[in-house]
Amino acid sequence: DTGVSQNPRHKITKRGQNVTFRCDPISEHNRLYWYRQTLGQGPEFLTYFQNEAQLEKSRLLSDRFSAERPKGSFSTLEIQRTEQGDSAMYLCASSPRLASTDTQYFGPGTRLTVL
Amino acid sequence: DQQVKQNSPSLSVQEGRISILNCDYTNSMFDYFLWYKKYPAEGPTFLISISSIKDKNEDGRFTVFLNKSAKHLSLHIVPSQPGDSAVYFCAARVTGNQFYFGTGTSLTVIP
Repeated sequence: DTGVSQNPRHKITKRGQNVTFRCDPISEHNRLYWYRQTLGQGPEFLTYFQNEAQLEKSRLLSDRFSAERPKGSFSTLEIQRTEQGDSAMYLCASSPRLASTDTQYFGPGTRLTVL
Repeated sequence: DQQVKQNSPSLSVQEGRISILNCDYTNSMFDYFLWYKKYPAEGPTFLISISSIKDKNEDGRFTVFLNKSAKHLSLHIVPSQPGDSAVYFCAARVTGNQFYFGTGTSLTVIP
C-alpha cells in the first residue's frame, strides 16, 4: 500500500493528557499537511511542511499543538493538555514536488475523543 | 469566517441523471479550486481541479465550472451512478499552500 497512512486510527484520552499522532506520507512527496475536521465541517488547515521545514501554521494551531517532520519523511502532531474541544478527526495529506496541480492525497485520519 | 461555502448539505439524484453540486467563495485571491469525494471512514479523495485562469475542466463524467465574477464553482456528474454516493467537498487555495474547504454536500444517487 503506497498511500498516506496515519496511526493510530482512533485515540480516546482523558482531558489533560498529551497525545501524539503519526503520519507517513506517500514516498517522495515533499509536502505534508495537517488538517482537523469536526462533525458537519470540512477539513480545516492546521499546518504545512515542505520537506522538514514547517512553512505555514494556522491561527487554529494553539500553543498546545506542535508538529514536526524531522527528516522530511513522516510527521508527528502532538497535542498537550488535551481539552474536550480537541475532539475531532485529524487528517494528514501529502503532495508531490510538482506544484502544477497541488493535488493532495489524504490519509484515513486519526479520530481523537477527549473525555 | 467561512471563505468557501457549500449551502446544500445534501442532494438526491436518480441514477443516470445529472448531479450538480455547488460551491461559493468569498476570497477573490483564490487561484486554484478542487473537488474531493469522501466515503465514510476514509480520507477525502481528489476528484478534479481547476485553475482560476480557466472556466471549465472536464474529466470523464466529471466537469467543474468556474464563474469568477459570481465567485461560484460547480461540479457536474453525468451520468450519476450509485457509486458516486459520498460527501463532496470543494476546496480553494490562496497562492501558497493554505487550502480552505467547504462544509460538504452529501450526494445520494438512487438506483
